[in-house]
Amino acid sequence: ETGVTQTPRHLVMGMTNKKSLKCEQHLGHNAMYWYKQSAKKPLELMFVYNFKEQTENNSVPSRFSPECPNSSHLFLHLHTLQPEDSALYLCASSSTSGLGYEQYFGPGTRLTVT
Amino acid sequence: AQSVAQPEDQVNVAEGNPLTVKCTYSVSGNPYLFWYVQYPNRGLQFLLKYITGDNLVKGSYGFEAEFNKSQTSFHLKKPSALVSDSALYFCAVRDTSGTYKYIFGTGTRLKVLA
Repeated sequence: ETGVTQTPRHLVMGMTNKKSLKCEQHLGHNAMYWYKQSAKKPLELMFVYNFKEQTENNSVPSRFSPECPNSSHLFLHLHTLQPEDSALYLCASSSTSGLGYEQYFGPGTRLTVT
Repeated sequence: AQSVAQPEDQVNVAEGNPLTVKCTYSVSGNPYLFWYVQYPNRGLQFLLKYITGDNLVKGSYGFEAEFNKSQTSFHLKKPSALVSDSALYFCAVRDTSGTYKYIFGTGTRLKVLA
């Protein structure tokens, strides 16, 4: 798990707060992903970036705003969240060439919206 | 539409017995298939993959999986289960339409009983 780091590991925020989640990968990958994992629900893909360009926005509400300044860093900016946004947010990275392709995940940020 | 199915929410097996966690998929073209494991409050960990070549692939912690093209299956197996194998297992397939997305199954909780 040290290949992909996420901070903070836990976050409690009120509905009017603004906060950011950070993800960093040290694997030389070019693609990065945000997923949402809620209890008793399938893993939900939120955003995909390839070489800093967003290639997928899976109909995510605008209160979630991603940012990918380079292939190693990915942020998720949060504002005016709802209690149903409480979940584990997972970052992942992968290579899009060669025979690798497997994703490597960070440990996640456990978000609680009060 | 491309999809992955894990038909069992939970699999129980006695320690020392063989285990199988089932996965079937539906994609157009050649599938790239993956298994991941998730321990509590952790991110997903890559176990093994099938890209091409031998239908039986070996991965971490003694796990293996068999790719069966005619049955569109990629079942995860281990000859002798350990209590420490108890976790949540996800099957995934890489989207073949060039979007760099991965489609995950809903997960199967494996419980290995001492």
